[in-house]
Amino acid sequence: EADIYQTPRYLVIGTGKKITLECSQTMGHDKMYWYQQDPGMELHLIHYSYGVNSTEKGDLSSESTVSRIRTEHFPLTLESARPSHTSQYLCASSGPGQSTDTQYFGPGTRLTVL
Amino acid sequence: ELKVEQNPLFLSMQEGKNYTIYCNYSTTSDRLYWYRQDPGKSLESLFVLLSNGAVKQEGRLMASLDTKARLSTLHITAAVHDLSATYFCAVDIARDDKIIFGKGTRLHILP
Repeated sequence: EADIYQTPRYLVIGTGKKITLECSQTMGHDKMYWYQQDPGMELHLIHYSYGVNSTEKGDLSSESTVSRIRTEHFPLTLESARPSHTSQYLCASSGPGQSTDTQYFGPGTRLTVL
Repeated sequence: ELKVEQNPLFLSMQEGKNYTIYCNYSTTSDRLYWYRQDPGKSLESLFVLLSNGAVKQEGRLMASLDTKARLSTLHITAAVHDLSATYFCAVDIARDDKIIFGKGTRLHILP
């Protein structure tokens, strides 16, 4: 089982609140990713990182921001949550190498914005 | 732009039957992945296919890769209810350090 963790697992919050979704991995992986997924739907890449101090926006426009100050930690922040942000957020990481290795996924954070 | 297409997107089948899920992609890739997702859960890695002609099997699932045709298949043999899940294929774009996912195939196996 992969050692990648997400907290909180579930979050219900009011509109306008600032939230941070945590993601940590203990595998020493250099690449980390955030995906947004509505129930039963496809995954959308919203942010990724090649390593410390590296962050890139993904294919889906997102109002969130990320940081990568430590290898093991890749938090995602929403400055002002809106109902349209209601979704499941999946964090993933993959190992070193020239080609992208298998991505290991965390358990996900299910976010509901009222 | 890389496109990854899965077919079918929804599949309802009876236990004991065989079926194949197809994954087509539009450009050269280094690797192809298959993942499983149970409802409300995260993704679990099933297979990584690294080269043309690669075949991997785990239980009732077998995945293969034809890089010339840009096609991967996930074959289910004698399906059982426990295999009900959504199956995603994903294709590696090494130059971008990203993996592009298909839309997923929702498989429902009737007891």
